[in-house]
Amino acid sequence: SAVISQKPSRDICQRGTSLTIQCQVDSQVTMMFWYRQQPGQSLTLIATANQGSEATYESGFVIDKFPISRPNLTFSTLTVSNMSPEDSSIYLCSVEGFGGGTTTYNEQFFGPGTRLTVL
Amino acid sequence: GIQVEQSPPDLILQEGANSTLRCNFSDSVNNLQWFHQNPWGQLINLFYIPSGTKQNGRLSATTVATERYSLLYISSSQTTDSGVYFCAVEAGGTSYGKLTFGQGTILTVHP
Repeated sequence: SAVISQKPSRDICQRGTSLTIQCQVDSQVTMMFWYRQQPGQSLTLIATANQGSEATYESGFVIDKFPISRPNLTFSTLTVSNMSPEDSSIYLCSVEGFGGGTTTYNEQFFGPGTRLTVL
Repeated sequence: GIQVEQSPPDLILQEGANSTLRCNFSDSVNNLQWFHQNPWGQLINLFYIPSGTKQNGRLSATTVATERYSLLYISSSQTTDSGVYFCAVEAGGTSYGKLTFGQGTILTVHP
């Protein structure tokens, strides 16, 4: 599997500010995604990060609130803008589509997550 | 969109016991994965299993795609098996990797 890292691992932020989360993969991947996990809840897809074009957002998520960049096939960022306490969650990036060895092409792997607390 | 239901929502076991977790989904799928989320929040891949049966040590999984369910078996449970188990599916058609997660099963294994 690919090695996926996220920065920061956790942060405590004040309401009204913004935080940018980085996701780095050690090999080129076709697909990158961003998920949110609110406290005690399951994971929900925020958007698909498209290389070289705008991200594709799921219902309920908008670009102004969660701008995403993907400048190349190994890196993506998610910004949580104008934060409120309701944004306190774990944010996870995931990847799919890297080859070699016995990895199944469609299997998805997740980064370690960024635990965000907004005061 | 596709619906994913997991059962039971909570499960408490004594070490050494066996258990079965179930995942029902409402439509055809391209992909089905089982994950274990440890207490630190990390999602660990258990199985990629859109159909058929796989085994990995004390864990095994079966997906019957035609009947739209998957089962995760844990045998001889250990305290380190505690955590949340998620089933996630990629709906058939043009979902392009988008996973829909069930609500999870919270497993607690007591020594």
